[in-house]
Amino acid sequence: GAGVSQSPSNKVTEKGKDVELRCDPISGHTALYWYRQSLGQGLEFLIYFQGNSAPDKSGLPSDRFSAERTGGSVSTLTIQRTQQEDSAVYLCAAGSYEQYFGPGTRLTVT
Amino acid sequence: KQEVTQIPAALSVPEGENLVLNCSFTDSAIYNLQWFRQDPGKGLTSLLLIQSSQREQTSGRLNASLDKSSGRSTLYIAASQPGDSATYLCAVRQTGANNLFFGTGTRLTVIP
Repeated sequence: GAGVSQSPSNKVTEKGKDVELRCDPISGHTALYWYRQSLGQGLEFLIYFQGNSAPDKSGLPSDRFSAERTGGSVSTLTIQRTQQEDSAVYLCAAGSYEQYFGPGTRLTVT
Repeated sequence: KQEVTQIPAALSVPEGENLVLNCSFTDSAIYNLQWFRQDPGKGLTSLLLIQSSQREQTSGRLNASLDKSSGRSTLYIAASQPGDSATYLCAVRQTGANNLFFGTGTRLTVIP
């Protein structure tokens, strides 16, 4: 919806490795969000960007998680030293009023 | 912290029936409420958004209502079709906040 793309669509990684997930809000929305959807927890907010700054990082579960956004467009969510509990679908959304979601990245940590 | 609950967790209906999905939230200080549809292995598709000042919104066979004071919203689907089979998620945006709080969803199956 509204041109939000994410890559990769699927990522399998070994425990302890770092991963980068990418979100491209092609439509140019200034507001961008990352959410995580896991079986036991439902859909949880991770971080919110307005332009390139992140005024709300309250949902990041640990300091292994970080995100950045450059040029007011593409955002990267980085997970360091992945753990099995990080396995989930990571969803990106854009939109200041109505939120439009990308297709998600399914992360599996083995 | 806002908590969003959806009942029932799963629902099966024969094709052609009208149905209602329920969403309740604990904090009535909301900015807006969105209903989404999620197909297996896919992202979320926005169906309807209701502003806090509105009572309902309609799109085709879908009608969403909002009773902010009682902390409830319903999604009414008329003349259900097999293609309506999906998980329906309700999400609330609090006043003064930016992120959405999601319910756990209702998995709908429409039987041909």
